[in-house]
Amino acid sequence: GQQVMQIPQYQHVQEGEDFTTYCNSSTTLSNIQWYKQRPGGHPVFLIQLVKSGEVKKQKRLTFQFGEAKKNSSLHITATQTTDVGTYFCAGTRIGSGNTPLVFGKGTRLSVIA
Amino acid sequence: GEEVAQTPKHLVRGEGQKAKLYCAPIKGHSYVFWYQQVLKNEFKFLISFQNENVFDETGMPKERFSAKCLPNSPCSLEIQATKLEDSAVYFCASSQSTGPGQPQHFGDGTRLSIL
Repeated sequence: GQQVMQIPQYQHVQEGEDFTTYCNSSTTLSNIQWYKQRPGGHPVFLIQLVKSGEVKKQKRLTFQFGEAKKNSSLHITATQTTDVGTYFCAGTRIGSGNTPLVFGKGTRLSVIA
Repeated sequence: GEEVAQTPKHLVRGEGQKAKLYCAPIKGHSYVFWYQQVLKNEFKFLISFQNENVFDETGMPKERFSAKCLPNSPCSLEIQATKLEDSAVYFCASSQSTGPGQPQHFGDGTRLSIL
């Protein structure tokens, strides 16, 4: 079945440092979504990428979708303590609509002030 | 409502007992999804509904798990004869449709503890 691998599993950074998490799928995706889950909270939708090679920015966050639509990345510039949480990518394989959403295992980000 | 409402927040059951979880999707959302998140953070898709119809149940354990979304009632996920391995947080999410660009809105989850 479709698998979505996400690395690293954990990342500890000093406040102000950059952070990147990578997502790789075993199959071509129709789209990829990114979610953030704060400790003890629920996943909150951040963004969806649909087009090959697409790049989207949200303030300090930059999201990329690979040309082959099999990988994606989330980059945070100059991390802040409010960025703490687990970042999940979730992909949908081509032809399945928006379900099922296959989640990566997430990257847990810790930011040390 | 404007949020996905899940009840109860916490549920404790003895092994072998039944557990029933509820989810009210955002008003106007046609699709409901259930996920299981275990301690290692991994999300497992269980089942999805389009209104009251099962849309995709490829992740649903057949033997002890069942789910329903009936008109004018919260959706439910029921686990019969619970096992220790069923301990997890169960999230419900809803979306307007399944087209591209449709985010899934998650509830706060139900933490199920099997003793």
